[in-house]
Amino acid sequence: DAGITQSPRHKVTETGTPVTLRCHQTENHRYMYWYRQDPGHGLRLIHYSYGVKDTDKGEVSDGYSVSRSKTEDFLLTLESATSSQTSVYFCAISEAGKGGTYNEQFFGPGTRLTVL
Amino acid sequence: DQQVKQNSPSLSVQEGRISILNCDYTNSMFDYFLWYKKYPAEGPTFLISISSIKDKNEDGRFTVFLNKSAKHLSLHIVPSQPGDSAVYFCAAASGTYKYIFGTGTRLKVLA
Repeated sequence: DAGITQSPRHKVTETGTPVTLRCHQTENHRYMYWYRQDPGHGLRLIHYSYGVKDTDKGEVSDGYSVSRSKTEDFLLTLESATSSQTSVYFCAISEAGKGGTYNEQFFGPGTRLTVL
Repeated sequence: DQQVKQNSPSLSVQEGRISILNCDYTNSMFDYFLWYKKYPAEGPTFLISISSIKDKNEDGRFTVFLNKSAKHLSLHIVPSQPGDSAVYFCAAASGTYKYIFGTGTRLKVLA
């Protein structure tokens, strides 16, 4: 299994509070991703990173920010959590394929966040 | 705007029979497609993929078919087994290495 951990695994917080989720990898993969999973919506890309300090927005980036100061860590921050951000959050990693090809993503175990 | 769609939220199949899961996409820039399987309380795991230069890729009981003109791909599982019961996601990627996922199809294989 790819070495990906997420912390915390579960969190309950109140509306308006800041929350930071951490993704840590030991695979030295270039690309890192944050997704949220919600019923009826599947997995939606929030932000992704293509290198240290290089990030880009995904499909549902409003209300979220990310940072990547080291290859192994990708942080997702909810500046002021809202109830609509209650979800299961997954981190994923992948490496660029050779010659412009692709490789699959490996996913972490997920973080269940509840915003009251 | 959902770029990757899985229009069947659920599917039930008898053990030993074929399971066919479908996926449609709208962005013609996608050039790589993947299928993932997800069990409850776990992260998705990679199953099989296909490049846009191919129309079929096979790996054991799993085969993915790609119809670029219809912007449609499908996953065939033959024979289906109870352990295949899970949620299946299709995903598509383009040159930016953004992977966009569909909404998922819950497969139940009946013993």
